[in-house]
Amino acid sequence: NAGVTQTPKFRILKIGQSMTLQCTQDMNHNYMYWYRQDPGMGLKLIYYSVGAGITDKGEVPNGYNVSRSTTEDFPLRLELAAPSQTSVYFCASSYPSSNEQFFGPGTRLTVL
Amino acid sequence: QQQVKQSPQSLIVQKGGISIINCAYENTAFDYFPWYQQFPGKGPALLIAIRPDVSEKKEGRFTISFNKSAKQFSLHIMDSQPGDSATYFCAASRPNNDMRFGAGTRLTVKP
Repeated sequence: NAGVTQTPKFRILKIGQSMTLQCTQDMNHNYMYWYRQDPGMGLKLIYYSVGAGITDKGEVPNGYNVSRSTTEDFPLRLELAAPSQTSVYFCASSYPSSNEQFFGPGTRLTVL
Repeated sequence: QQQVKQSPQSLIVQKGGISIINCAYENTAFDYFPWYQQFPGKGPALLIAIRPDVSEKKEGRFTISFNKSAKQFSLHIMDSQPGDSATYFCAASRPNNDMRFGAGTRLTVKP
């Protein structure tokens, strides 16, 4: 099993550009999550999904959108990139019956 | 506001010593309290976790102490090793898996 994979690893965007961060898991986990990690701030939950077709806002959802059409994939969309979205983004997944979340390697995004 | 407060921000310990990291939470709806370990350039990985019906959990050199009435929990790393040098995050999760993380503690274990 590859676990949770994220692409790209790094990306530089210009202000106002859009992009999609990809996340795929092969563990057949129902729950998937997107976090952002800023220095000295820990991880903050952006959006999460409890299954295909179901998504919900986390702590910091503004400026982001998600969709969940399959169990495996949970892409995160930035529509109008802003410097405040410069961060490291982590995707994670878990079973419904377990709180343990498995994290991907992260995507480092810089918005200039 | 920060729902989970973690201290210290950084910690330096000699090899063989005890590392202690503390966390406090406010929301009594939290029912799962994990500690994650993160190495540079990697995603966090679960180290150990506890539920509020237990006051202590030990796995090898790692122990969580949990004080429900004080809404505090801590991670103790016994016989700290240079390989334990990493950033540690405490977290607290509600039953719907909505997890809130502390700000992290950068641990350095000197040989």
